Amino acid sequence: SQQGEEDPQALSIQEGENATMNCSYKTSINNLQWYRQNSGRGLVHLILIRSNEREKHSGRLRVTLDTSKKSSSLLITASRAADTASYFCATPNQAGTALIFGKGTTLSVSS
Amino acid sequence: DAGITQSPRHKVTETGTPVTLRCHQTENHRYMYWYRQDPGHGLRLIHYSYGVKDTDKGEVSDGYSVSRSKTEDFLLTLESATSSQTSVYFCAINQGATGQETQYFGPGTRLLVL
Repeated sequence: SQQGEEDPQALSIQEGENATMNCSYKTSINNLQWYRQNSGRGLVHLILIRSNEREKHSGRLRVTLDTSKKSSSLLITASRAADTASYFCATPNQAGTALIFGKGTTLSVSS
Repeated sequence: DAGITQSPRHKVTETGTPVTLRCHQTENHRYMYWYRQDPGHGLRLIHYSYGVKDTDKGEVSDGYSVSRSKTEDFLLTLESATSSQTSVYFCAINQGATGQETQYFGPGTRLLVL
């Protein structure tokens, strides 16, 4: 399986702090994606980083990819209460026909 | 949201009854997926489709069947519902020509099997 595994499982921080979550995967990949899920809602795509990229930014999000270590990190800077959600990494399956998701990191940002 | 709707949004049923969930998309994407989400397990792939009448199994396909007779609709059927199939079911589409690109998810269907 190419399922990504997020770490930590849960993270609690104060507003204004940075939040970092990590994802490890098992085999070589074409790309790695991060998604957010607010309670009771569907997943929302945040960012896609390709295997030939090392870092990518989108607003307050910064994603890194280290293919030698088979790991990725998602950094959310200056967190807000609205960032409270679960965050999932996803990688393509070996056939390249579907995404396989990790179990997620639950982020709680308190004001 | 890429025009993805799911119906019903909530359903309560009894063990042993058949249940069909519907996913509808408006943008003609080739790939469609059914996932289930349970506490402690994250999102697990049940079945997916890569075209009309073309489907394949995911990691948790036992007890489920799917059909895709039109590009826009992807149906998930629980032939004989069991309590272990109580879950939240999400449909998704992939916006790429393969299944490796960005996915967009529907709002989910909460299914309770008594």
